[in-house]
Amino acid sequence: GEDVEQSLFLSVREGDSSVINCTYTDSSSTYLYWYKQEPGAGLQLLTYIFSNMDMKQDQRLTVLLNKKDKHLSLRIADTQTGDSAIYFCAESIGSSNTGKLIFGQGTTLQVKP
Amino acid sequence: DAGITQSPRHKVTETGTPVTLRCHQTENHRYMYWYRQDPGHGLRLIHYSYGVKDTDKGEVSDGYSVSRSKTEDFLLTLESATSSQTSVYFCAISRGDVGRNEAFFGQGTRLTVV
Repeated sequence: GEDVEQSLFLSVREGDSSVINCTYTDSSSTYLYWYKQEPGAGLQLLTYIFSNMDMKQDQRLTVLLNKKDKHLSLRIADTQTGDSAIYFCAESIGSSNTGKLIFGQGTTLQVKP
Repeated sequence: DAGITQSPRHKVTETGTPVTLRCHQTENHRYMYWYRQDPGHGLRLIHYSYGVKDTDKGEVSDGYSVSRSKTEDFLLTLESATSSQTSVYFCAISRGDVGRNEAFFGQGTRLTVV
């Protein structure tokens, strides 16, 4: 079945770049997403990438997609303490218009001042 | 938050009692979902709805039922709560358009079954 894997924890210093990695299994996924969850809150959509793209940049965020290896990464440039949160990658499953998502376990990003 | 309200936000209940969680949206989105979040598991889909009275199971549907009598409301019922259903429950919505169709999440309901 479909599965999404992420490393559980990443610690960086303020100002450094953070790279959060994700692997997925469903090669038919049309969109892949990154969500951010701050403590006690719901999930907030950060960015997404369409499966026919290799890279997408959005301000401090860069998403890289390697379809051959089914590997997705999120790079946060100039990481700030406000970036401390749990980051989830998710792949769309089923037909593209159902919105059903499979989530990874989440990566906790700790940013040290 | 994209016009999604979950109620209650926190609940403590006893094993064996029925519990209903409510999700209300003001976006008129077609699809609604219930996920649960547990440490080490990320979010797992319980049930989803693709229209009024149209629902389907997700990957962890045992012990849960849902109903959607209006576009704006999606109810999740635990018929007889068990300690394994202690979790944080998230409602999400999406438009259901062809193509990019991201989900928007509510703030969550923390349920404790004692």
